[in-house]
Amino acid sequence: QSVLTQPPSVSGAPGQRVTISCTGNSSNIGAGYDVHWYQQFPGTAPKLLIYDNHNRPSGVPDRFSGSKSGTSASLAITGLLAEDEAHYYCQSHDSSLNIYWVFGGGTKLTVL
Amino acid sequence: EVQLVQSGAEVKKPGESLKISCKGSGYSFNDYWIGWVRQMPGKGLEWMGIIYAGDSDTTYSPSFQGQITISADKSITTAYLQWSSLKASDTAMYYCTRSIAALDTSVDFWGQGTLVTVSS
Repeated sequence: QSVLTQPPSVSGAPGQRVTISCTGNSSNIGAGYDVHWYQQFPGTAPKLLIYDNHNRPSGVPDRFSGSKSGTSASLAITGLLAEDEAHYYCQSHDSSLNIYWVFGGGTKLTVL
Repeated sequence: EVQLVQSGAEVKKPGESLKISCKGSGYSFNDYWIGWVRQMPGKGLEWMGIIYAGDSDTTYSPSFQGQITISADKSITTAYLQWSSLKASDTAMYYCTRSIAALDTSVDFWGQGTLVTVSS
């Protein structure tokens, strides 16, 4: 059971917009801690996609965007491409646990 | 270019010890934290612990405290994750990570991962 809750899977057709939610509580996202997002392809290491809720590292297309409100955060992907098919994980900090980094369970994005 | 290069895959028996490594290059090793993240087969990411390369200040996740040891040798810009007695349940991919802080921070670089298989 992950501290942050993500849908196990989402899907969309090429060109569409999809969103992936990340739900926490008042000890993590709701306490004001930043949310970060990672993309992971099979057999490879995760890669930073969004940091500090909505910032994109250099090289990440602006099709990817992040937002945060209350105890939740979202990752949005517009203009879906086949190459976006991957697992996506959110990450934050939880003050009630002595666990510095808490992750969502991950969401598998399927491009139809 | 920032790189975290991890040691190769390992196959061990239950009860054996193991130490895997993560060599940082292309940045000021002493100024960053190195974290370790476990990914069991087909599962998500779990934070294990973190070490500040500059002074080896270390914190462990409660889930892994007492089960692992994290260390670093700044003279060779390398961090380590070790077990004294492996279990079959330690079978997983292990990633080292780089971050500018210990908590409330993102991971900007990941190692390529070290696959550890524990089987009799």
